[in-house]
Amino acid sequence: QKEVEQNSGPLSVPEGAIASLNCTYSDRVSQSFFWYRQYSGKSPELIMSIYSNGDKEDGRFTAQLNKASQYVSLLIRDSQPSDSATYLCAVNKDTGRRALTFGSGTRLQVQP
Amino acid sequence: EAGVAQSPRYKIIEKRQSVAFWCNPISGHATLYWYQQILGQGPKLLIQFQNNGVVDDSQLPKDRFSAERLKGVDSTLKIQPAKLEDSAVYLCASSLDLLVGTDTQYFGPGTRLTVL
Repeated sequence: QKEVEQNSGPLSVPEGAIASLNCTYSDRVSQSFFWYRQYSGKSPELIMSIYSNGDKEDGRFTAQLNKASQYVSLLIRDSQPSDSATYLCAVNKDTGRRALTFGSGTRLQVQP
Repeated sequence: EAGVAQSPRYKIIEKRQSVAFWCNPISGHATLYWYQQILGQGPKLLIQFQNNGVVDDSQLPKDRFSAERLKGVDSTLKIQPAKLEDSAVYLCASSLDLLVGTDTQYFGPGTRLTVL
């Protein structure tokens, strides 16, 4: 079992729709959770972090965390073609070291 | 504020050759990370420094990979000798300090290595 699992996609949504990206993790001691966006040929860019159960909203993005189910999700409202990218879920298991364990990413395609 | 700098951006070598990558973190960032990202996968941590000390190198293939951060600022990652499976993007990231809460990692542009 991979430590961080994501559906590779592609997830295709029409412009203006809500895109829902999901991630599960295996280690119950995981403390911090991150969503990175990576455009083709570019480096990862942090878009959201979440540390406690519940929802966290930032503009069009909402991160949801359920530690009991070991599940993290990212919702993108009013999806735009510029949101087309690979979204990487990352987990920090050890607050002392802070190195991240990444999933393989979900490719999102927003159709104009 | 300048971001994380890396060079070279691209490198093509033949197997069994050596290669070195350079990273300059954001000014004042104590923690520096090297990740390897193989096509279609997420980044995988190779080594983590706090100032000039190694925090975690458990996933670094030490028989061929080495890294240093001698003065606690710039870092170099070396592969000697390279194998075909080393073809990947090598990402450097930095963060303010691993002792700081809610610490964000900032990634450099990466070095794309192709081993022929």
